Amino acid sequence: EAGVVQSPRYKIIEKKQPVAFWCNPISGHNTLYWYLQNLGQGPELLIRYENEEAVDDSQLPKDRFSAERLKGVDSTLKIQPAELGDSAVYLCASSPQGQSSTDTQYFGPGTRLTVL
Amino acid sequence: QKEVEQDPGPLSVPEGAIVSLNCTYSNSAFQYFMWYRQYSRKGPELLMYTYSSGNKEDGRFTAQVDKSSKYISLFIRDSQPSDSATYLCAMSGSRGSTLGRLYFGRGTQLTVWP
Repeated sequence: EAGVVQSPRYKIIEKKQPVAFWCNPISGHNTLYWYLQNLGQGPELLIRYENEEAVDDSQLPKDRFSAERLKGVDSTLKIQPAELGDSAVYLCASSPQGQSSTDTQYFGPGTRLTVL
Repeated sequence: QKEVEQDPGPLSVPEGAIVSLNCTYSNSAFQYFMWYRQYSRKGPELLMYTYSSGNKEDGRFTAQVDKSSKYISLFIRDSQPSDSATYLCAMSGSRGSTLGRLYFGRGTQLTVWP
């Protein structure tokens, strides 16, 4: 079974440029998460989707970050414009249901963003 | 103060040593406790999962939860060089903002040398 797929794996951009990350969750997983992981820190939740619906986006900086999950499968996370402080690893995870806290979250390899 | 505190290390031990990793937390709503392992340039992978207080053993790994002290531990016996990674504790609950959301510690970097 394929795991969570993310692309690109690495991205280098200049500040003020837009950037987008793509995630394909494990087949059949209804819940999708985007996490931000700064260097030397644990992942922090940005947004959680149940199917197409964003059920928890309280930690998403909505002035520059946006996300979508069309058709309840793939998801895209966008930053516009990027700032120097956005340099980090962006992780996508999925779980079968998500409403239950006993659901295991499976993580992708992440996209490492560097903003110059 | 973060809700989950974890000493980042780094921790360096010889092969065969017993490793002890731990986290403390402040939110009494946490009921589910996990340990993730993260290799360099990879995403975290679930290592151990424990519900409420108690112990759980899986091979060389033992997870302990003490809810009265808000303290969780992971023990690795007979450590191997392949155990070298960053170990992240994570926790969640069943109500409010803890439902369906993982709260991570900052991770402890472990190196096991031959």
